[in-house]
Amino acid sequence: QKEVEQNSGPLSVPEGAIASLNCTYSDRGSQSFFWYRQYSGKSPELIMFIYSNGDKEDGRFTAQLNKASQYVSLLIRDSQPSDSATYLCAVGGSQGNLIFGKGTKLSVKP
Amino acid sequence: ETGVTQTPRHLVMGMTNKKSLKCEQHLGHNAMYWYKQSAKKPLELMFVYSLEERVENNSVPSRFSPECPNSSHLFLHLHTLQPEDSALYLCASSLSPTGPSTDTQYFGPGTRLTVL
Repeated sequence: QKEVEQNSGPLSVPEGAIASLNCTYSDRGSQSFFWYRQYSGKSPELIMFIYSNGDKEDGRFTAQLNKASQYVSLLIRDSQPSDSATYLCAVGGSQGNLIFGKGTKLSVKP
Repeated sequence: ETGVTQTPRHLVMGMTNKKSLKCEQHLGHNAMYWYKQSAKKPLELMFVYSLEERVENNSVPSRFSPECPNSSHLFLHLHTLQPEDSALYLCASSLSPTGPSTDTQYFGPGTRLTVL
C-alpha cells in the first residue's frame, strides 16, 4: 500500500514566522509532488508542484524535495493569518496515480 | 463560468434514493476525476477518466456509477448508499490525458453528501 504521511497538527505559528510542513512517502518510484491548500469547507487549491530534488521558490512559499530520503516539505515565510488552512501533500506514484496525505492543519496566530 | 463547477453543492438523501452528482470543467482539460473526502481520512481517488474513457476504478462499490459523456462533463450516479458514504465528493480535472501522476489537478467546490 503506497502511503503519504503528514503530521495532522495542528501546527501553530505566530504571524510573521516561518511555517514548516513536512511529508514523507513510501513509493520510491514517485516522480511528482504537489502541495495543496484547503480552507475549511472549501476544495483543495494548488500551491506548488516540484519534480526535481532541491528547492523551488514561489513568493513566500518554498517546496523542498529530497528523493533519497523520500521527503518533501513546504516552507511558508512571513506567515499570515490568511495562511491558516489544511495543507495537503500529494505524490504522483509510479503507477500513474496520485496519492494524498491526510493533511496538516496550520494555524497562524496574529 | 470558469474552472471546475459541481452541482449540487449539498445533497441529503435516503438510503433508497437515486441521485446524481454533476461536474463540469471549462478548462479544456482531457482528464477528470472523482474523489471522496471523509473526515480525518486522506482524499480517496474513486474514478479517473481520460479522453472520456475510464482508466481507473479504485475498488469503488457498485452503488457508485460514473459517467463521462464528453471531456467537459462527469457524473457520479448514486443508488442505495449507506450512511458511511456521507462525505465531500470532489471532482477534479487535469490537462494531460496520460494520467494523474504528473499533472496538476484542479478541483471543483465539491458536493457535501449526507446519507440518512
